[in-house]
Amino acid sequence: DAGVTQTPRHEVAEKGQTIILKCEPVSGHNDLFWYRQTKIQGLELLSYFRSKSLMEDGGAFKDRFKAEMLNSSFSTLKIQPTEPKDSAVYLCASSLRGVNTQYFGPGTRLLVL
Amino acid sequence: GDSVTQTEGQVALSEEDFLTIHCNYSASGYPALFWYVQYPGEGPQFLFRASRDKEKGSSRGFEATYNKETTSFHLQKASVQESDSAVYYCALGKGGYQNFYFGKGTSLTVIP
Repeated sequence: DAGVTQTPRHEVAEKGQTIILKCEPVSGHNDLFWYRQTKIQGLELLSYFRSKSLMEDGGAFKDRFKAEMLNSSFSTLKIQPTEPKDSAVYLCASSLRGVNTQYFGPGTRLLVL
Repeated sequence: GDSVTQTEGQVALSEEDFLTIHCNYSASGYPALFWYVQYPGEGPQFLFRASRDKEKGSSRGFEATYNKETTSFHLQKASVQESDSAVYYCALGKGGYQNFYFGKGTSLTVIP
């Protein structure tokens, strides 16, 4: 089985731009998560979908971050407008409902200038 | 609130050394406990999990035993190799995603 796929692997944006990150979960998984990873904060949950329904919209991240699940096998994370402090690795993970174990994609490394 | 605390920062070992990375949790009931490993340029990979007191999880020579008395799930490996150099995360999951917490990560460097 294919694992979680994320594109692009690297993204460079100017401050104020809109960027869209993409994720394809493991086939058959019901839950999808978006995380931000930085050295200082570690892994921070941005969004969580259960069977395409948004369950968690990231609290402090809601302002400029918007995740969508267009169908059961594709999700996007939009950051609009980008700021230099958004520079981080963005990770997508998926899991089977009720199992807890999350499987991660390789991440997208974002640099905002 | 629920939380996970693990060995902070960096650990440096020589090949064939014994590894222990400490992980302690704070939560009521019986949370599921996990270890993940992250190699440079990759996302965290699931290593193994345990859900009950005294249950041992293991994979790739790594192991940890769920200890409710000491609220611990320490990661151990008898003989590390250079290829084990990575960041290791302890995590706790309880009652669905809403209670899923990662530790801050421990960076392991194995010197050949």
